[in-house]
Amino acid sequence: NAGVTQTPKFQVLKTGQSMTLQCAQDMNHNSMYWYRQDPGMGLRLIYYSASEGTTDKGEVPNGYNVSRLNKREFSLRLESAAPSQTSVYFCASTRDRGREQYFGPGTRLTVT
Amino acid sequence: AQSVTQLDSQVPVFEEAPVELRCNYSSSVSVYLFWYVQYPNQGLQLLLKYLSGSTLVESINGFEAEFNKSQTSFHLRKPSVHISDTAEYFCAVRGAGNMLTFGGGTRLMVKP
Repeated sequence: NAGVTQTPKFQVLKTGQSMTLQCAQDMNHNSMYWYRQDPGMGLRLIYYSASEGTTDKGEVPNGYNVSRLNKREFSLRLESAAPSQTSVYFCASTRDRGREQYFGPGTRLTVT
Repeated sequence: AQSVTQLDSQVPVFEEAPVELRCNYSSSVSVYLFWYVQYPNQGLQLLLKYLSGSTLVESINGFEAEFNKSQTSFHLRKPSVHISDTAEYFCAVRGAGNMLTFGGGTRLMVKP
């Protein structure tokens, strides 16, 4: 099992450009999450998908959109990148909400 | 609403010394508690969890944490640390809506 995979690992964007971060899990988990990690702030939830076909906003959703493509895949899109979106992005999944989440290796995004 | 406070942002310690990383939480629902470890440039890995039952939980690499309901704490301890334990540690609590809330992280720095 690969667990949770994320692509790309690194990305540099110019302000105003768009991109999609990809996430996939092979554990047959129902729920998937996107977080951003900034120094001293822990992890903050951007969006989540409790089950296939549903998505909901988290703590910091502004400037992002998501798609739960199927049970395995959950993508995060930045339509018009801003320097404030420079961060490390983590995807996570869990079989049952409220239980332990399993994390991908992260995408380090820099917006100039 | 739930919250997690990790009282120390950095903890320097010498190799083979004991260490305690402190975590206090607040939650309006019955708690599930987690400790995650993040090595440099990697994703978060589950270290240990408390869901129910014994209040003392252990990991496979010598860490332990004790759920203390009266003090709303879930401190992480290890009697003798190794250089390889150098990492950032995150405490998390399940709260309302079955969402996990993460603390700001504690950087453990083990010195030879």
